[in-house]
Amino acid sequence: EVQLLESGGGLVQPGGSLRLSCAASGITFSSYAMSWVRQAPGKGLEWVSAISGSGGNTFYADSVKGRFTISRDNSKNTLYLHMNSLRAEDTAVYYCAKVQTAAAGTGELDYWGQGTLVTVSS
Amino acid sequence: SSELTQDPAVSVALGQTVRITCQGDSLRSYYASWYQQKPGQAPVLVVYGKNNRPSGIPDRFSGSSSGNTASLTITGAQAEDEADYYCNSRDSSGNHRVFGTGTKVTVL
Repeated sequence: EVQLLESGGGLVQPGGSLRLSCAASGITFSSYAMSWVRQAPGKGLEWVSAISGSGGNTFYADSVKGRFTISRDNSKNTLYLHMNSLRAEDTAVYYCAKVQTAAAGTGELDYWGQGTLVTVSS
Repeated sequence: SSELTQDPAVSVALGQTVRITCQGDSLRSYYASWYQQKPGQAPVLVVYGKNNRPSGIPDRFSGSSSGNTASLTITGAQAEDEADYYCNSRDSSGNHRVFGTGTKVTVL
């Protein structure tokens, strides 16, 4: 059974930093790209970032480019999202999701975690 | 444009058929996928590619596409199908993904 468990969310002040983690089990982690998707309270889904199975290719939404960094540790079956210069508009539930393929942009998101809430507020 | 536009809400009588549409320029080049999200839960992939369903998704869910419009059809809607539905596709670069604005489906 595929399981994705996010952690690391919480309350952070504007301009602050936070690192989200997503621990994966039930899959050969390095064989699949992974992605982060967020959902602001009462709003729709927003694709944030993706990383290839090897970690060699990364992609970002314009709204987070230059502030967020996606990475992975295939030896630990763990995906990360490093978030810097956080803004109020980054407040959202952050989901990690498995991509159907090893390439980051091509496959669908076939398994999702339950999400972790990030609140950016003073 | 990389935007995907959906109607905000639709309703369907129990057992009837409802079609949800998604419009965007990128759909002329790439298939859409569809996600179902119930309150307080993570999204679930229901349809992807030309018309594929993941294991466990009922066959009353189907997808189609024409020009710049993708559609998700629920044939014989059930009470448990009441949810928000989001389309998703690649953007014009081919490497980024974009979600539609979402459609709330109410089963009467």
